[in-house]
Amino acid sequence: KQEVTQIPAALSVPEGENLVLNCSFTDSAIYNLQWFRQDPGKGLTSLLLIQSSQREQTSGRLNASLDKSSGRSTLYIAASQPGDSATYLCALITNAGKSTFGDGTTLTVKP
Amino acid sequence: DAGVTQSPTHLIKTRGQQVTLRCSPKSGHDTVSWYQQALGQGPQFIFQYYEEEERQRGNFPDRFSGHQFPNYSSELNVNALLLGDSALYLCASSLLTGGYSYGYTFGSGTRLTVV
Repeated sequence: KQEVTQIPAALSVPEGENLVLNCSFTDSAIYNLQWFRQDPGKGLTSLLLIQSSQREQTSGRLNASLDKSSGRSTLYIAASQPGDSATYLCALITNAGKSTFGDGTTLTVKP
Repeated sequence: DAGVTQSPTHLIKTRGQQVTLRCSPKSGHDTVSWYQQALGQGPQFIFQYYEEEERQRGNFPDRFSGHQFPNYSSELNVNALLLGDSALYLCASSLLTGGYSYGYTFGSGTRLTVV
């Protein structure tokens, strides 16, 4: 059974700081790994998708990496801004279409 | 380009009642997945529909059922509602044609409160 852990559960940083969010998983038989952000009471917004054969993806100030051998993914946010404050979730998706989410890291970026 | 649309946005039901939630996938997507998200937790996978069939199912009781229509839209039905069913219900669509998935696009969710 796939288990996904995101540490830390909450993180508070000053504006401008670079930061790393962690996602670890127990079953490396994944198809895709996807990072999302969620604002309070809202749906999920896709940030980055990494296919099983890839090692990283970049979009603007965001960079996500995937290391299947160690069961880890990281989301790097450069030059954080108050607008980045949200909960960040990672999801592991199997070939069969089943998905498992972590409980997220709630990020607060202070002006 | 319309994204994933869910209705209604909010709903209040009484214990024991039945509820139907609706989802229209993003244009060009053929697969719909449903999730339950309790406060402070990540989404829990309920089931996924593809070609009008339930393709995968998570650990949810039979009170949770669904349907996918020929136009790819989907419904989630929950019978005999319990207080514990109160949550944000999320729908996600993806393109699975040819066995390849381009990842999930989520709707804004339906907030269900059971009293």
